Amino acid sequence: EVQLVQSGAEVKKPGESLKISCKGSGYSFTSYWIGWVRQMPGKGLEWMGIIYPGDSDTRYSPSFQGQVTISADKSISTAYLQWSSLKASDTAMYYCVRRAGYSRAFDIWGQGTMVTVSS
Amino acid sequence: DIQMTQSPSSLSASVGDRVTITCQASQDISNYLNWYQQKPGKAPKLLIYDASNLETGVPSRFSGSGSGTDFTFTISSLQPEDIATYYCQQYDNLPPFFTFGPGTKVDIK
Repeated sequence: EVQLVQSGAEVKKPGESLKISCKGSGYSFTSYWIGWVRQMPGKGLEWMGIIYPGDSDTRYSPSFQGQVTISADKSISTAYLQWSSLKASDTAMYYCVRRAGYSRAFDIWGQGTMVTVSS
Repeated sequence: DIQMTQSPSSLSASVGDRVTITCQASQDISNYLNWYQQKPGKAPKLLIYDASNLETGVPSRFSGSGSGTDFTFTISSLQPEDIATYYCQQYDNLPPFFTFGPGTKVDIK
């Protein structure tokens, strides 16, 4: 079964760092782009950025450039999203997604990681 | 940046009704338009890709059409399990590359 499994919920304080993960299985991890999508509480979907694990080519939405870092470790089929200094406004659900090989759609979604930033 | 608008923002319809949602891009995006369903508390699910192609395993009551700037998503006969928010999403060769519409919340009347 093709799936993306994300790390568990996090509760952090403002200013702390965080790295969440997304492990792919059931397919060739290095052959598909993996992206990240933010959903703030009660709000819509926002695309953050995407990485090609095969060569680590990474693209960011201008809205998130410099705010987060996307990386991948192809040896363990895992992509990451990290923050160096969290803000309360980073409180959201974060989904990792696989870009389909046959279109520019996201065909596989992780279950989501809830990040809560509160003092 | 390409802007995406969806209408309506919400709707209520009866079981068996035909439901139509529209998505408009601020510039020509060819057929690079996808539709997702997000049920409460769940991750979104791809329903339609490249404007009109039904994703494998998705019921045939869902369909999509359009090209250029104007797109339509249709549920031919609304079912109780279709209660969800529906998002369109476009792809562009320039940043920000992928943009989601604001969503349409569908309820049963």
